[in-house]
Amino acid sequence: SAVISQKPSRDICQRGTSLTIQCQVDSQVTMMFWYRQQPGQSLTLIATANQGSEATYESGFVIDKFPISRPNLTFSTLTVSNMSPEDSSIYLCSGKTGGYEQYFGPGTRLTVT
Amino acid sequence: DQQVKQNSPSLSVQEGRISILNCDYTNSMFDYFLWYKKYPAEGPTFLISISSIKDKNEDGRFTVFLNKSAKHLSLHIVPSQPGDSAVYFCAASGTYNFNKFYFGSGTKLNVKP
Repeated sequence: SAVISQKPSRDICQRGTSLTIQCQVDSQVTMMFWYRQQPGQSLTLIATANQGSEATYESGFVIDKFPISRPNLTFSTLTVSNMSPEDSSIYLCSGKTGGYEQYFGPGTRLTVT
Repeated sequence: DQQVKQNSPSLSVQEGRISILNCDYTNSMFDYFLWYKKYPAEGPTFLISISSIKDKNEDGRFTVFLNKSAKHLSLHIVPSQPGDSAVYFCAASGTYNFNKFYFGSGTKLNVKP
């Protein structure tokens, strides 16, 4: 398994502002991902965080709205930009160590007012 | 278009009895399936997985069954314990992109003492 931490654990933000979420993983992790879980829905992959280069985004997610950085192997950030109430979700970081399984952080619960 | 579906949003079971959680998928290219357990305010925790070359995988009290022809998998928990009360997500991926997981919407299991 892998140890993954995120901060903040929750935040309440005003519309139009931006929030940056941090994810720290242990050294066994080779790949890092960001997910969103909207209220009552399943987890949806936002993007794969690539070390030292631009993230790979899934359909429906764009860099201007969700800029992602991964400056080294064990750290990544996700920014939710120009927030609206529709961005209220749980944002989760995950990592892979080499097998099929992904291991998840505790999540960041974001509420946009 | 949701490719992985969990049609039961909730399930209530008596302690000591069997819990059966179901999951259906539509994409015949999926060949690896996972179950995750999620407690409130925590990230999903990997539970058990199965490859499409098998039809059963067992780990202690947890067994996953895969029926490829029906595109259906199930998670059996025997015997159920109150600590098993959580939301259970099934996920699927394919070798064409084993980093992308498709998640179901989850089933909330309540094990009554």
